[in-house]
Amino acid sequence: DAEITQSPRHKITETGRQVTLACHQTWNHNNMFWYRQDLGHGLRLIHYSYGVQDTNKGEVSDGYSVSRSNTEDLPLTLESAASSQTSVYFCASSVIAGRPDTQYFGPGTRLTVL
Amino acid sequence: GNSVTQMEGPVTLSEEAFLTINCTYTATGYPSLFWYVQYPGEGLQLLLKATKADDKGSNKGFEATYRKETTSFHLEKGSVQVSDSAVYFCALAISGGYNKLIFGAGTRLAVHP
Repeated sequence: DAEITQSPRHKITETGRQVTLACHQTWNHNNMFWYRQDLGHGLRLIHYSYGVQDTNKGEVSDGYSVSRSNTEDLPLTLESAASSQTSVYFCASSVIAGRPDTQYFGPGTRLTVL
Repeated sequence: GNSVTQMEGPVTLSEEAFLTINCTYTATGYPSLFWYVQYPGEGLQLLLKATKADDKGSNKGFEATYRKETTSFHLEKGSVQVSDSAVYFCALAISGGYNKLIFGAGTRLAVHP
């Protein structure tokens, strides 16, 4: 079955370290998204991509970067982790660009920055 | 700008009670509206959606009607079960907005036997 996976599921790191969170989908979807989930804020969009070599900034992109070298993967990098980036991170994907469509979410990565 | 407002939780109900979770939105253009559900320890999954005014989305006994005149998309279920305990998110996406979802803060539902 097609799916979307994230790794690691839990990560503890120190302030100032570079961290990369992986997202892999086997749906063959063009669109991929990264969100962070914080209490009282729901999910907020960090970065998104509509295809290979395409990346775009979302609502809360400062301190994060992504790259899209193939259809299946969209890794999220925290260049220099900060305590404010302690959160749960969700990756999602969808088929259709240009009009609203169902997004499929991964199980999430809980990141703690000490 | 575009935004979604949900009623604050937690909502605590007894099994077989009636559920309403309020959701209102502000949007430019004509949004599609979604309810996603997050069970403990899991990612979000689509519960139901509606793409135009007066559409009713339904799934697993849950329903929501797209009300353009009141800019609302309230979630209802006639008889909740313990297994419905989860966090529910209302969201919108704007046509031509490249499928970006804007979420409400989420409402936690706890159903007791």
